[in-house]
Amino acid sequence: QSALTQPPSASGSPGQSVTISCTGTSSDVGGYKYVSWYQQHPGKAPKVMIYEVSKRPSGVPDRFSGSKSGNTASLTVSGLQAEDEADYYCSSHAGSNNFVFGTGTKVTVL
Amino acid sequence: QLQLQESGPGLVKPSETLSLTCTVSGGSISSTAYYWGWIRQPPEKGLEWIGSIYYSGSTYYNPSLKSRVTISVDTSKSQFSLKLSSVTAADTAVYYCARQDGFDWSYWGQGTLVTVSS
Repeated sequence: QSALTQPPSASGSPGQSVTISCTGTSSDVGGYKYVSWYQQHPGKAPKVMIYEVSKRPSGVPDRFSGSKSGNTASLTVSGLQAEDEADYYCSSHAGSNNFVFGTGTKVTVL
Repeated sequence: QLQLQESGPGLVKPSETLSLTCTVSGGSISSTAYYWGWIRQPPEKGLEWIGSIYYSGSTYYNPSLKSRVTISVDTSKSQFSLKLSSVTAADTAVYYCARQDGFDWSYWGQGTLVTVSS
């Protein structure tokens, strides 16, 4: 199973929105409603921000939203704040309780 | 509050076996609702799922690592463990243990760096 494809970087000014894509195949992203997104600050463990494509865990701001179309999932961060600057990774179920992560996107708040 | 803590050697020699343990506190490792897993991250690179285990001992492994990986669970100690054999420099990474909620990872340990070097 190959890593899901994400853009290396994305950026936006405070208050703006940024959208990160996560492209896989029909064997992972396109085949299941189990895409999740993780935020990772330097030196820290990842934190789940979105699960099952578009659901937010308790405590995650509603500025974070997820969607999926075909083999591509997306994470949108609206109303960018300084603390949103981090690396973001998508993950998808890939059948038989297998998982695949994305290549990661570094989000910069300008 | 659930906590996970990785422990084990920070330095392993090439061709030897990497062994790590994750201790779970603040919750039951025997819960029927969750799997428990290992995920790694080479320096300056992305995340890679290694494998998952259920409290009963049922396991799932990343196909690319399956031949070298063994994950086990000791419910009496509230621990699960990772063994990765025949390591090379490519196995140098931060290793995380985490709780699998359905098909996402809701709780993570802080991670432990394992360096493969002679």
